Amino acid sequence: DTEVTQTPKHLVMGMTNKKSLKCEQHMGHRAMYWYKQKAKKPPELMFVYSYEKLSINESVPSRFSPECPNSSLLNLHLHALQPEDSALYLCASSQVGLAGLEETQYFGPGTRLLVL
Amino acid sequence: EDQVTQSPEALRLQEGESSSLNCSYTVSGLRGLFWYRQDPGKGPEFLFTLYSAGEEKEKERLKATLTKKESFLHITAPKPEDSATYLCAVRRKETSGSRLTFGEGTQLTVNP
Repeated sequence: DTEVTQTPKHLVMGMTNKKSLKCEQHMGHRAMYWYKQKAKKPPELMFVYSYEKLSINESVPSRFSPECPNSSLLNLHLHALQPEDSALYLCASSQVGLAGLEETQYFGPGTRLLVL
Repeated sequence: EDQVTQSPEALRLQEGESSSLNCSYTVSGLRGLFWYRQDPGKGPEFLFTLYSAGEEKEKERLKATLTKKESFLHITAPKPEDSATYLCAVRRKETSGSRLTFGEGTQLTVNP
């Protein structure tokens, strides 16, 4: 089974709201990722967690705050977002293979976020 | 800097009309070339991983091949349900991290 689940499927929030996106996988993968995808563009990497530790932050604004409570869960906390942050947010996970390098990434269905 | 270029941007085929999608890449030390399929509003669905030149993988009507400079995704006798955006991505050999460099994708439409 290569399933990554994400909740909610859709989210509408105002610029002053605080909300969270959730991601879960039960494949035993030890690397998890957040991506942002705008319409007709490829996914853009935001954060990578490896063994529950943040290993990559692609200079993402602090209004996005990731959290990895355990090896199966990944959250993305949102605060004071801007309308330009509206996008499809994708979670992915992968095994960590030889020499600590991550393997094939499997994506979840995404959360469609609209910031008003 | 790693670069991935996919062509064509869009492709319209009649059902049963075979064709190929191209992914040209420049990367310093390839550690995997990945093909994904993405339907509108959904997450990318993993298709294939290729690691070395000459490698080929098949799944139903799809066959992916890899050379030192490009990869092809061959679609044999496509059906309307094969309509989607096909994304190619590469990963370089790094001691840590897992950045994928994606191409812009090829939007495939298969008409019945």
